Amino acid sequence: NAGVTQTPKFRILKIGQSMTLQCAQDMNHNYMYWYRQDPGMGLKLIYYSVGAGITDKGEVPNGYNVSRSTTEDFPLRLELAAPSQTSVYFCASSPRLGAGANVLTFGAGSRLTVL
Amino acid sequence: QKEVEQNSGPLSVPEGAIASLNCTYSDRGSQSFFWYRQYSGKSPELIMSIYSNGDKEDGRFTAQLNKASQYVSLLIRDSQPSDSATYLCPRDDYKLSFGAGTTVTVRA
Repeated sequence: NAGVTQTPKFRILKIGQSMTLQCAQDMNHNYMYWYRQDPGMGLKLIYYSVGAGITDKGEVPNGYNVSRSTTEDFPLRLELAAPSQTSVYFCASSPRLGAGANVLTFGAGSRLTVL
Repeated sequence: QKEVEQNSGPLSVPEGAIASLNCTYSDRGSQSFFWYRQYSGKSPELIMSIYSNGDKEDGRFTAQLNKASQYVSLLIRDSQPSDSATYLCPRDDYKLSFGAGTTVTVRA
C-alpha cells in the first residue's frame, strides 16, 4: 500500500519562481490537507479539501493555490516563491471530517528551499 | 475557537523511566482525542486515539482521558531511546490543526 505519496522530496527554488508539489493517495479518502512545518514549529494548515472539486483555506493560505480534480490527487501550487515559503510541506488524508477525523495519514514530506 | 495547550515539555527522561505528557482543551465539545509522534525529519504518525473517559493502553503507551477536566495525557512506560521524538495532540475540529508538540528526549 502506497498510502500518501508526495513529490518531489526536495526542491530548491529561486525567488519569484513557481512550482507545484504533488500529492496522491490510494486509500479512497475524501479529505486531504496540506500543511507546512517550519523548523522547530508545529504544523500549520495551508489548504484542505473535502472532496473532488471542493477546497477551502486553512490558517496560512497566502501565496499558495490548490485544486482537487480527482479523489486521489491534491496538488499544491506555489506562485512567485518567497524565502518565507522555505519549509517542509506535508500532505495528509483522512477518511472523514469532523469529530473523530483526526486519523490522518501523512506523506513523507517535501522539503522546499527558496533562495 | 477550539484551542489545545500542550502543558509539558520539553521533556528529558532517563531510559526506563515514565514520560508523562499532557494536553488541555478549551472546548468542552471535543469528542475524540489523538496523539501523534513525529521523529526528527519525518512525518507525524498516529500512535493513540481515545474516545471515552479512562485509560487506553497499547504496549508501553497509555492514553488517559478526562473529559470533565478537558485533558488528555500520554504515559510512556519503560522509555526507550527510540521514543525520543515530538508528540503532538491536534485539535479535534475540521481544520485539524497541530501545535508545536512536546519534544521528548530519552537519555540512555
